[in-house]
Order: sequence, then C-alpha cells, then structure tokens
Amino acid sequence: DAGVTQSPTHLIKTRGQQVTLRCSPKSGHDTVSWYQQALGQGPQFIFQYYEEEERQRGNFPDRFSGHQFPNYSSELNVNALLLGDSALYLCASSLRTYNEQFFGPGTRLTVL
Amino acid sequence: AQSVAQPEDQVNVAEGNPLTVKCTYSVSGNPYLFWYVQYPNRGLQFLLKYITGDNLVKGSYGFEAEFNKSQTSFHLKKPSALVSDSALYFCAVRVADSGYSTLTFGKGTMLLVSP
Repeated sequence: DAGVTQSPTHLIKTRGQQVTLRCSPKSGHDTVSWYQQALGQGPQFIFQYYEEEERQRGNFPDRFSGHQFPNYSSELNVNALLLGDSALYLCASSLRTYNEQFFGPGTRLTVL
Repeated sequence: AQSVAQPEDQVNVAEGNPLTVKCTYSVSGNPYLFWYVQYPNRGLQFLLKYITGDNLVKGSYGFEAEFNKSQTSFHLKKPSALVSDSALYFCAVRVADSGYSTLTFGKGTMLLVSP
C-alpha cells in the first residue's frame, strides 16, 4: 500500500520564478492538504483540496495556488518566488476532510 | 483560533533516563492532539494521538503522552530514552468534531539523547 508521495524531492529556483510541486495521496484517500515548513519552524497550513475544490485556506497570499485532479492527486503552485518561500513543503492526505492526515516526505524548495 | 506552544527549543537527556517533551495548547472547543517526529531531511512520522477516552495515550516506539484538560497540556514522555530517539518533535492540535482535519503545529522541540 503506497503512502503519500511527493515530487520532486529537491528543487532550486531563483527569485521571481514560478514552481509546481506534486503530491499523490495514500491509496484510498480523497483529500489533500499542503503545509509549508520554514527552517526552524513547525509546519503551517496552506490549503486543503477535496472534490477538486479548495475547501480551506491558511494565511498565505494568492501567489500560492493549487489544483486537485480527478485521481485525487494535487499540485501546489507558487508564483513570483521570494527568498522567504524557501522551505520544506509537506503534503498530507486523508479520507474526507475530517479524518486523520498522513504526511509525505516533502519537497525541499530553495529560492536563490 | 487555535495554537500550540512548545516551550523548549531543545531537550537534552542521557540514554536510559526518562524524557519529557512539553506541549500546551489553546483551542475553542474540545481538542484532538497529536505528536509527530521528524528526522533530518524527512517528512513527519505519526507517534500518537488523543481523541477521547483515557488521558494516557500510548504510541509508537515506547512513547506515551498524557492529556491534561485543566492544564491544557499534552506532554510527550518515554520511560527510558534511546540515542535513536534524537530527532525533532512536533505537537499539533485540531478542533474535535470539526469538518476539517487541518492541524496547527508547535514550532518543535529538538530532543538530543546522549550515549
């Protein structure tokens, strides 16, 4: 039973560029949440997708957007990258929006 | 709004000694509480959770945590620490019976177990 997978593992971008991160949920899960973990901080909730719609959003600017596909996989897009966007981005999946979340290994984004 | 406080940036303990990693929370309503562990360059691994029932929760790798409603605390404990327990530990909270499983995390506590 595959767990949550994320790609790529690492990514280096420069300021002003755009980036797309990908997440495949655990088998049987239909909800995907994204978190940002800056260095030395705990993960912070970005948004949650269910039935291909954004259901809940944290305190992140509109530069952060997402998408969920019919197979429940998800993408996180960040436009106009800033140095402060450098972080580990974690994807978590669950069955429905209210059940326990399972986390993927994360994507390390470095913005130069 | 909900929040989690982990008052210690780092906890040092000798192998074989008991360990405690502290966590207090603030939430409107009843809480669901979680502990996760993170090893270098890895994602979050689930340790244990409190949903309801017995205030003492037992989890993976010999860890346990005690829910204290009056003190709004959920401290992580282990009777005998191992060097391999050295890692970053996160406490998290969500509102019970809400429509969303979104978690609010503390900033983390680094546990260092010396041989």
